[in-house]
Formats: sequence, C-alpha cells, structure tokens
Amino acid sequence: GAGVSQSPSNKVTEKGKDVELRCDPISGHTALYWYRQRLGQGLEFLIYFQGNSAPDKSGLPSDRFSAERTGESVSTLTIQRTQQEDSAVYLCASSLAQMEQGAGYTFGSGTRLTVV
Amino acid sequence: AQSVTQLGSHVSVSEGALVLLRCNYSSSVPPYLFWYVQYPNQGLQLLLKYTSAATLVKGINGFEAEFKKSETSFHLTKPSAHMSDAAEYFCAVSEKGNNRLAFGKGNQVVVIP
Repeated sequence: GAGVSQSPSNKVTEKGKDVELRCDPISGHTALYWYRQRLGQGLEFLIYFQGNSAPDKSGLPSDRFSAERTGESVSTLTIQRTQQEDSAVYLCASSLAQMEQGAGYTFGSGTRLTVV
Repeated sequence: AQSVTQLGSHVSVSEGALVLLRCNYSSSVPPYLFWYVQYPNQGLQLLLKYTSAATLVKGINGFEAEFKKSETSFHLTKPSAHMSDAAEYFCAVSEKGNNRLAFGKGNQVVVIP
C-alpha cells in the first residue's frame, strides 16, 4: 500500500481483556517496528522484525505482550489481560533497510488504546 | 548505548519568530540522527535526517538542523514560525549496526499569533 496502515485507530477495552492490534506495512519494506507512546513520553521501543530473522523482542515490557509477523507482510501485536498502564498509542513503522543504512522509518497513524 | 535528550517539553514561539528545538545525543559510534514531526492524531513524519554527509541538513517545511560532533548536538531550527508548525517534534538517534531508533521525549510546539 501507499503507507503504513494500522487498525483499529481507536480501541477501548475493559481491564483484563485481550486486545489485538494490526499493522500493514508498506509493500516491500523488510523491517517492521512497534513502539509505544504514553502520554507526555517519548516513544518506547517494543519489538523489531527483519525479514525472516528472529525478531528482537527486547523491548516488550512483560510476557502479556507478544507480536507476530508473517513473512514481510502484516504484523499483529497482542496484549493479554490488559492493565490500565497499557493505555497508550501503539505505533507501527516500517523501513526498506536496516538502520545502519540510515533509512529512517515510515510510521502509521497509530492505535490509541484505552483500558478502563 | 544511544540516547537522546530534548529539554523543555512545551515550547511557545510567536508567529514569525525563530523556532529552535535542542537535541543532544549520546552514542558510542558515529550516529544517524533524525527529526520527526507529529501532527495531532497522526503518525510521525520524517522532517530530516543526518547520515554522515553534509553536517547542515535541510528538511521539509523550511526546517533545517546542524550536526555538531564536538557538542553532540543536532538542534532543529526554522527562521520564521508559521501557525501550521504547531505540532510535537521528536529527535531520534540510531547507531550503525543497531536496528532501532532511540527517541527523545519530544517538544510540543505552540505558535502564538
């Protein structure tokens, strides 16, 4: 597609429920990243996928968070047993190449998650 | 480890005045440096980037930034603020061989008519 597409754009969920967030990267972009943006904070790295390599999961805050990506296409971020501190905007980004080439990211518009 | 410092979460500037957003980074190797802008309810958009070519980098919407190795800085400037510049601005750094960007906490820019 023309840009990085994320769905849903907004999600309100009850504490304890599971949620699934979707990211559709730009076609041909081999790298995909998930970040979390809490109110008044910078962007917090969550997870990185590069082609068929094992993902870099070092930023996932707890085992309630997981993400999958099929090949070089869609990725889903799943949060189990949501807590109020999970409320944030979840941003997905993709890029053509690994960062050592200074490619920069293209971001989606994000999913605003509110846990009540 | 790479990190970014942006001071002053909220920055107010008069329309037509200079916009100056400061960014200092720490990196153990020569970095790549980026400025992103986020308009309300939108994702982040790349303003400009430094990738070891010219130290003065020009970006979109009249913004530019200068890489100063001796000061470990990459400050963003625009000579004359416009109302449409009201947004949040993030500085970010990555290192060669590191596949992630580290972001600053951002500057919320308010333009006063």
